[in-house]
This record gives sequence, C-alpha cells and structure tokens, in this order.
Amino acid sequence: DAGVTQSPTHLIKTRGQQVTLRCSPKSGHDTVSWYQQALGQGPQFIFQYYEEEERQRGNFPDRFSGHQFPNYSSELNVNALLLGDSALYLCASSLDGLPWEQFFGPGTRLTVL
Amino acid sequence: GQQVMQIPQYQHVQEGEDFTTYCNSSTTLSNIQWYKQRPGGHPVFLIQLVKSGEVKKQKRLTFQFGEAKKNSSLHITATQTTDVGTYFCAGRTGANNLFFGTGTRLTVIP
Repeated sequence: DAGVTQSPTHLIKTRGQQVTLRCSPKSGHDTVSWYQQALGQGPQFIFQYYEEEERQRGNFPDRFSGHQFPNYSSELNVNALLLGDSALYLCASSLDGLPWEQFFGPGTRLTVL
Repeated sequence: GQQVMQIPQYQHVQEGEDFTTYCNSSTTLSNIQWYKQRPGGHPVFLIQLVKSGEVKKQKRLTFQFGEAKKNSSLHITATQTTDVGTYFCAGRTGANNLFFGTGTRLTVIP
C-alpha cells in the first residue's frame, strides 16, 4: 500500500516562470491538502481539494491554484514565481470525515532563482 | 488571524534527559495535533487531542491539552538519539484548516 507520493522531488525555476507539482494520495484517501514550508518554519496551509473542488483556502494569492482529478490525485500550480516561493511543498491526504488522520508526502523542494 | 506559537524554538539535551515543548494558541482550538519532522523529512502525525484537559501517552511521550483548549505540551522522558527532529503542534478551530506552530527543534547529544 503506497503512501502519499509527490513529484518531482526537487525543482529549480527562475523568477516569473510557472511550476506544476503533483501529488498522489494514500490509497483510500479522497482529500488532498497542500502546504508550503519555508526553511525553518512550520507548514502553512495553501488549500484543500475534495471531490475535485477547492474546499478551503489559506492566505495565499491567486498565483497559487490547484486541481484534483477523478482518481483523487492533485496538482499545485504556481504562476509568476517569486524568490519567496522557494520552499518545501507538502501534500497531505486524508479521508473525508477523518481529517485528523492526515498523511504527508515527502514533499517537493522548489528553488526559485 | 489565528496564531500558534511554540517554545522553545531550539532545545539541546543530553541523551537520557527529559524534553518538553509548549504550544500556545491565540484562539480556542477544537483539537490539536502533534507532528514530528526528522531532518530532511516530512511531518509525521503523532497524535490528536480533542478534549479539554486530555492527556495521552505513547511510550516515552506524554501529550497534554489545556483546560481552556488554547495550549498543549509534549513531554519526552529519557530522550534517545532517535528522538531528534522538529516537533510541531497544529491546531484546528472547528472544521477549519490546520495552523501549524513554529516548531521546536530537538537535538539529542549522545
């Protein structure tokens, strides 16, 4: 039983570019949440997807958008990258109704130059 | 907005010593979770506390939720080198998303 998987592991982009990160939830999970973790900080909630729709959103600009597919996998898109977007992007999956049983993926380390 | 603060930010202990990290929220929480993140790793769920004054134990780890549901603590007895990592609390108000604390980075000196 695979846990949460994310791709790519590492990514280097330049300012102004766009990036897409991918996440496959743990088997049996239907809810995907995305977090941004800057170096030395705790994860900050970006948004959550359930039934292919954004259900909750944190305090992030519209440059951050996402999508959930029928198979529950999800993408995080960031447009017009800024240096401050450099961070570890974590995907977490859970089952609707059991939000506390949240499993994190290994993350994607994004560096913006 | 909601804030969750943790102290201390860093803690160095000799192996065998005890360790405690404290978590304080600016608002009343419906529940609080604790995570451990090893260096270079991702957060791993440890436990969730829901009830006012709740205390839960996992081997050498003891978790407490304050009576007012605005603070929590994690205590590790007789630390081991495998306890190294950053410990985060994460609070939730109602059905809202999780707010992670600032974390406490634990170093255990052999």
